[in-house]
Amino acid sequence: DIQMTQSPSSLSASVGDRVTITCRASQSISSYLNWYQQKPGNAPKLLIYAASSLQSGVPSRFSGSGSGTDFTLTISSLQPEDFATYYCQQSYSLSCTFGQGTKLEIK
Amino acid sequence: QVQLVESGGGVVQPGGSLRLSCAASGFTFSIYGMHWVRQAPGKGLEWVAFMRYDGSNKYYVDSVKGRFTISRDNSKNTLYLQMNSLRAEDTAVYYCAKEGSQLPKYFDYWGQGTLVTVSS
Repeated sequence: DIQMTQSPSSLSASVGDRVTITCRASQSISSYLNWYQQKPGNAPKLLIYAASSLQSGVPSRFSGSGSGTDFTLTISSLQPEDFATYYCQQSYSLSCTFGQGTKLEIK
Repeated sequence: QVQLVESGGGVVQPGGSLRLSCAASGFTFSIYGMHWVRQAPGKGLEWVAFMRYDGSNKYYVDSVKGRFTISRDNSKNTLYLQMNSLRAEDTAVYYCAKEGSQLPKYFDYWGQGTLVTVSS
């Protein structure tokens, strides 16, 4: 199985900050990488698919990059509603494994 | 608008069974692959199972193989997850998720989830 490792596991930041979350795959997954946002008590929400494609309706302050084994999610200027947990997911293999999550908290 | 509504969760004893349902609306259910994803209390997301749009292929995470069965009824726009021989570690919120229309695969819509608690 392909293992996905996110870093950091948690992060404190302030409104207006630029934030980057990293996701590393245990083997090359080309651009088969998605990012989701989850707020407490809610289902995950798709932000980015295919490593860098912004899902319709998602603010442009969210961006994704990378290919192969190393990927990043960047939030250019944090807004109050962005404090949540973020998950990467590989869709290269049938098992579609997720990273362990990165909890983004208010500093 | 796309809606996915899960039901069937509840409290069950170890070794017991439950069948989850996911009622879909707002899109052509019969042309999309569908997935189940679960989240144990306070933990991360775990992909559980997938069924191709026409039911011709299905895949499972190793920990549920032989115990869980994914199925769908395209005439009823409904996805199912039959869960047998339940264990305490199966306790989680179970989400159904729809695949997006482009490749590579991603999950563009999720239900609100249904809680399964396995406890004596």
